[in-house]
Amino acid sequence: DSGVTQTPKHLITATGQRVTLRCSPRSGDLSVYWYQQSLDQGLQFLIHYYNGEERAKGNILERFSAQQFPDLHSELNLSSLELGDSALYFCASSARTGGDYGYTFGSGTRLTVV
Amino acid sequence: DAKTTQPPSMDCAEGRAANLPCNHSTISGNEYVYWYRQIHSQGPQYIIHGLKNNETNEMASLIITEDRKSSTLILPHATLRDTAVYYCIVRVANYGQNFVFGPGTRLSVLP
Repeated sequence: DSGVTQTPKHLITATGQRVTLRCSPRSGDLSVYWYQQSLDQGLQFLIHYYNGEERAKGNILERFSAQQFPDLHSELNLSSLELGDSALYFCASSARTGGDYGYTFGSGTRLTVV
Repeated sequence: DAKTTQPPSMDCAEGRAANLPCNHSTISGNEYVYWYRQIHSQGPQYIIHGLKNNETNEMASLIITEDRKSSTLILPHATLRDTAVYYCIVRVANYGQNFVFGPGTRLSVLP
């Protein structure tokens, strides 16, 4: 258990639908990062939140949005889903102080769009 | 972030040392070398990082050349469970900066 919790683990939905992926960071971590991993694209950075504020955007589609709540958990919202959105979605968190030992990743949510 | 170059795949015999190379010829003076691995469809796992000195922890050793243009991750006694994709990333050690993952090296540990 990495300490980063992602739910649900698996999600199957139809094209055109909207889903919400949830991430709870490690205790004490203020930064949350979202990544998408599809078969042909590798790990792609989507977005970074720090203490409730958006800090950086990567290759995130306009149909996707995210937020981080006061309790520091984060949600990634995916709407108007397409077949190509099928992928693993990972959340990671990082320590706010001290040495930077990189990210701690969750186990991911596998999204299948049918 | 500086780019890195890694071989797409490598094999290693179980029990032997696995040496994974990484080239980062454009690395800046304040950029660290990080290594992660991803075991099939699991979340990436942090292994080790360093600036210019060699580093060792319970998982691996990191050897960085004196000019810092390349590095080698060493798994001293590879096991079947070390079969994974290994990513070498260079970036400034700032917890606010995101990691950019390349294709990595697919290491297969063979019995």
